[in-house]
Amino acid sequence: QVQLVQSGAEVKKPGASVKVSCKASDYTFTDYGISWVRQAPGQGLEWMGWISAYTGNTNSAHKVQGRVTMTTDTSTSTAYMELRSLRSDDTAVYFCARDEVYAPAGIEYWGQGTLVTVSS
Amino acid sequence: QLVLTQSPSASASLGASVKLTCTLSSGHSDYAIAWHQQQPEKGPQYLMKVNSDGSHSKGDGIPDRFSGSSSGAERYLTISSLQSEDEADYYCQTWGSGIQVFGGGTKLTVL
Repeated sequence: QVQLVQSGAEVKKPGASVKVSCKASDYTFTDYGISWVRQAPGQGLEWMGWISAYTGNTNSAHKVQGRVTMTTDTSTSTAYMELRSLRSDDTAVYFCARDEVYAPAGIEYWGQGTLVTVSS
Repeated sequence: QLVLTQSPSASASLGASVKLTCTLSSGHSDYAIAWHQQQPEKGPQYLMKVNSDGSHSKGDGIPDRFSGSSSGAERYLTISSLQSEDEADYYCQTWGSGIQVFGGGTKLTVL
């Protein structure tokens, strides 16, 4: 059973950075990519970006371009998403999801989510 | 621009059927989409992929009560024999040109 297990909740001050991890298991990590999706309180799902675990190529949404960095560690089958210069409207639950390997093209498995709260 | 449009809410009675709609923006009527369910206070769960020809492939363990279909730029999710646990938010999702796009979601109430 494919599993994506994310790191725990974080509380950050405006202007700080946060790094969320997503450890994959029960599939060949480099055969797929990882998309990152967030959900602000009471709102819908917003795609943030994608990384290929095979090539390391990334795409990101315009809204977070320049503030987000996505990486993978293939030795531990773990993906990371770092968001910098945090603002209050970055408060959200952040999900990782398994995606296709050569381009973002469909999500079939989700992590459990990581709540990131940005507050002074 | 690739956009998905969903009605904000829907309702149906316990044991009945409901059909949710997701509409692709102009020029994208041949795109496949995926449906995801998000129960209250939980993360999303993948339900199925629906192709432009109406064929669909479901995720692991998704009951036969859930099915997908297509007509033109519209993609549908039909849930039959509604149960209380089907009360949830349903999101459609598509992809293209290096991005993923989500619809705004439909909140389904089971009466």
